[in-house]
Amino acid sequence: AQSVTQLDSHVSVSEGTPVLLRCNYSSSYSPSLFWYVQHPNKGLQLLLKYTSAATLVKGINGFEAEFKKSETSFHLTKPSAHMSDAAEYFCVVSDTEYGNKLVFGAGTILRVKS
Amino acid sequence: NAGVMQNPRHLVRRRGQEARLRCSPMKGHSHVYWYRQLPEEGLKFMVYLQKENIIDESGMPKERFSAEFPKEGPSILRIQQVVRGDSAAYFCASSPSAGPQPQHFGDGTRLSIL
Repeated sequence: AQSVTQLDSHVSVSEGTPVLLRCNYSSSYSPSLFWYVQHPNKGLQLLLKYTSAATLVKGINGFEAEFKKSETSFHLTKPSAHMSDAAEYFCVVSDTEYGNKLVFGAGTILRVKS
Repeated sequence: NAGVMQNPRHLVRRRGQEARLRCSPMKGHSHVYWYRQLPEEGLKFMVYLQKENIIDESGMPKERFSAEFPKEGPSILRIQQVVRGDSAAYFCASSPSAGPQPQHFGDGTRLSIL
């Protein structure tokens, strides 16, 4: 079965500094990978997706992620954090080759200090 | 162009009562997924439905839980004889077709069991 490990449960950065949220996955086939963000008491918003095209994926709000097959990683980065980035972030892999259900990591809570 | 609509946003039930959670997918989407988020955990897949059919219910508890997606109207997640452990946020997502593509999420229903 496919799985996702988010290596940090909490990350704290200062406003204007880079953000790195780490994610490793396991998959028996070429996976589809996603990052979602969840603000308090809200649903999940898609940040970006990787579906076997370019390995460096650009998303919304300045986020990007790089798919590294050799390292089975899909880390999320942003050059400069903004206060509005404070939220919980989920790394997600499609569970089957047909992508009919998603497997979520446990989440990383990002805190941005002023 | 409404997104995925879930209602109610908050639902309080006493132990032994029934809970009904409703989900209207995005316009043009015929694939619906239900996920459950327990406190401080990631989302866990419950069930995948296409109009009038349950495609995958591998994440559904064996008893008390059922889901439907009728030809007309919203998808319903039904929990009979609720227990304290059913307290969670329940999220619905939809997609226009099957396959490894992003799913669009609603804002969830927060279920509290007294």
